[in-house]
Amino acid sequence: NAGVMQNPRHLVRRRGQEARLRCSPMKGHSHVYWYRQLPEEGLKFMVYLQKENIIDESGMPKERFSAEFPKEGPSILRIQQVVRGDSAAYFCASSPINARVGTEAFFGQGTRLTVV
Amino acid sequence: DQQVKQNSPSLSVQEGRISILNCDYTNSMFDYFLWYKKYPAEGPTFLISISSIKDKNEDGRFTVFLNKSAKHLSLHIVPSQPGDSAVYFCAASEDGNKLVFGAGTILRVKS
Repeated sequence: NAGVMQNPRHLVRRRGQEARLRCSPMKGHSHVYWYRQLPEEGLKFMVYLQKENIIDESGMPKERFSAEFPKEGPSILRIQQVVRGDSAAYFCASSPINARVGTEAFFGQGTRLTVV
Repeated sequence: DQQVKQNSPSLSVQEGRISILNCDYTNSMFDYFLWYKKYPAEGPTFLISISSIKDKNEDGRFTVFLNKSAKHLSLHIVPSQPGDSAVYFCAASEDGNKLVFGAGTILRVKS
């Protein structure tokens, strides 16, 4: 049973380009969370999605960032017109329906985005 | 506004001794607290949790203590092992959906 799969593991983008980060949840999991970790900081919540629905996007920057979790396929975190300040590690976690977050949420290995 | 604070960036402990990692929080609405362990280039792994209705939870070598009046929790690891060397994050939740993380403490266990 594969864990949460994130790809790519490393992504380098030039300023102004678009970054697409993918997250395939664990089998049977229908909830996905995205977190961002800036250097020397803890993880910060960005968005919580269920299939085809955004439940809580209170941590998402107002511009350039969007997320989706379609009926089929992985969840996508999209960053348009990237800037150097977007350089960070982006982690995805997934959990089954009605799970208590944390104890039943499993994290992927993260995508390290570097903007040059 | 840091709602969860880990004031010690790092901690060094001798193998076999106790490791104590501390965490303070400001949001009195938090009702669930967790500790995660993270190795370099990997995602966080859940270690142990505690509900706000309890003051202690134990799982093998790991014990978490919660002092609600002081808004403080701690993780005790006894005995510490070299494999415990990692970054430890304290996290809290008030709505059951999203976690608020501290900045982490780097634990080094020397053999």
